[in-house]
This record gives sequence, structure tokens and C-alpha cells, in this order.
Amino acid sequence: VQLVESGGGLIQPGGSLRLSCAASGFTVSNNYMSWVRQAPGKGLEWVSVIYSGGNTYYADSVKGRFTISRDNSKNTLYLQMNSLRAEDTALYYCARDSRTEGSNYYGYWGQGTLVTVSS
Amino acid sequence: EIVLTQSPATLSLSPGERATLSCRASQSVGSYLAWYQQKPGQAPRLLIYDASNRATGIPARFSGSGSGTDFTLTISSLEPEDFAVYYCQQRSNWPVTFGPGTKVDIK
Repeated sequence: VQLVESGGGLIQPGGSLRLSCAASGFTVSNNYMSWVRQAPGKGLEWVSVIYSGGNTYYADSVKGRFTISRDNSKNTLYLQMNSLRAEDTALYYCARDSRTEGSNYYGYWGQGTLVTVSS
Repeated sequence: EIVLTQSPATLSLSPGERATLSCRASQSVGSYLAWYQQKPGQAPRLLIYDASNRATGIPARFSGSGSGTDFTLTISSLEPEDFAVYYCQQRSNWPVTFGPGTKVDIK
């Protein structure tokens, strides 16, 4: 199992960014896939999840601004982030559920991609 | 939203000592609690799920206990590689939430 995030960078407040998480060793669409973020020097915050059935859920802090999706043909998870704010600055991790049937515990993690929102 | 509180914030111990970390939930989460370890510059690693079950490949010196609102992660004898930050996480209620972490550092 390998997860490789990309797409982070420096973006101005109000801007948009799309994060990608390329998966190998398993099928993204058969698993619960999440984004979890960590502000610099801070703790972990769950952001969003897409279930194997396609249902999606979001933290209140990003609801209406972020969209999680997947491309089954590319075995890749995405996070479209719009209307970015300074408080969205964080290392964004892609995480796979620890169980195929879904548990909302995160057994597999990428190394993260850094998003910095600043003017 | 369920708030998780971890104590102490920092635990200073020597290798070979026993570490006892606490996680308290603002309301019952049943047994739906996990523990993660995070070392500097690394992603978190799942240690314990459903309060007391070790994840695959986790050494037996790590154990979890508790239910309802009070949980404990115990490291029976600290190895040098165990000095890290530990987070608890609940999945009982939406949204999934994490505790603020306990840093275990070398005394």
C-alpha cells in the first residue's frame, strides 16, 4: 500500500487548489478514503471522507468550500479546495481506512502535501 | 462534536520506564477509540483501534484499555523509538475527532 500526495503550494487567500493522492497496492474505490490535515506545530484534524459507495462527508470548517472525489481509472483521490483561508494552512494527509469494510480508523497514510495560504 | 482531552500534555520518562497516557471524551464513545503515534517529520501510525486491539505489526509493549469516556494507552517499557507524540481519535460520532496529543520525551 502506497499513498503519494501532490498539489500543495503557496496560494493567496480566496484562491483554489486541487490536491491529488495517487494510490498503489490497492483499489481506491473499494476503500474509505479520507483527508486529514495538520496545521504547523498543531494536532490532527479530519477534513473529509469518501466511502466506497460514493457517499462523502466534510468537517464543518470546510463544508461548502472543499470537495472530495476520486478517479477510479487513475486510482487517485482528490481534494478540490476553494475559497481558501489562512486557517486552511496545513500539511494535508491522504489516509486509507484500516479495514476494507470501513471503520473510520486510518491505517495507511501518505507523507502529506503542504498547503500555505498567505498573501 | 465530541471533544477529546489528553493528559498529560508532556510526559518525560527514561527508556525502560512505563508510560501511561490518558484520553478522556466529552461524552461516551463506547469502545470506538484509536491511538496513533507520530514522530517528527512522519505521518501518524495506527497503534490501537477499538480501545484495546493492536494494529498489525504493533509490538506487544503497546496496550490500550478503557471504554465510555476514559481510555488509557500504556507502553510497558519504553524503547528509544517510542519517544513521539501520541494522539487518540474517536469514531463514535460525526465528525471524527482527535485529541490534542501527548508528547513523550526523553527525561
